[in-house]
Amino acid sequence: GAVVSQHPSWVICKSGTSVKIECRSLDFQATTMFWYRQFPKQSLMLMATSNEGSKATYEQGVEKDKFLINHASLTLSTLTVTSAHPEDSSFYICSAPGLAELEDNEQFFGPGTRLTVL
Amino acid sequence: AQKITQTQPGMFVQEKEAVTLDCTYDTSDQSYGLFWYKQPSSGEMIFLIYQGSYDEQNATEGRYSLNFQKARKSANLVISASQLGDSAMYFCAMRAGPNTGTASKLTFGTGTRLQVTL
Repeated sequence: GAVVSQHPSWVICKSGTSVKIECRSLDFQATTMFWYRQFPKQSLMLMATSNEGSKATYEQGVEKDKFLINHASLTLSTLTVTSAHPEDSSFYICSAPGLAELEDNEQFFGPGTRLTVL
Repeated sequence: AQKITQTQPGMFVQEKEAVTLDCTYDTSDQSYGLFWYKQPSSGEMIFLIYQGSYDEQNATEGRYSLNFQKARKSANLVISASQLGDSAMYFCAMRAGPNTGTASKLTFGTGTRLQVTL
């Protein structure tokens, strides 16, 4: 199957700093990518939809000025957590949908980034 | 709005036995897709099986099968011959609409933690 990578796999930062997380589709092009957040022992919650060449679409309750998304190319989307605070500590996972022609195609998930804000 | 419900926060099963993980869903879309993902402690999301809303036969993938009952809006995962390596979190997810771009985002249930015992 297709491969999606994320970098870094984990990061620890001080409160008030900004953190950038990269999501790359390694062997396919992704005009759309999704960013999910997962708090400990909870489910994945969609934060935003990243669209190549246009603005991201944020889910209700997600601050777009705090979570900056840039879909720079057909293989790269970045999520920047600005002025991070301890409550932003979470597991962030990106995904990209498979080929639209294949109805049963799975979403391809990155390995996730564990963010800890001190 | 779409909703996925997993009512079993935790399940135990003995090695080599079969186990059923429950999932019910709610959507007003006629076309949708149902997924099951496994998430081990490492955090990666491992795709297990897919069922399309128009598929008349239940999906099967090796030891995994999906018991799809459309009228009841349920999509239970059956794991046969459980193995110790099956111990993980299992998430049911739904894509409402066709697999195209922004419509491919997934809504996840709260998950079921499966523990396989000797």
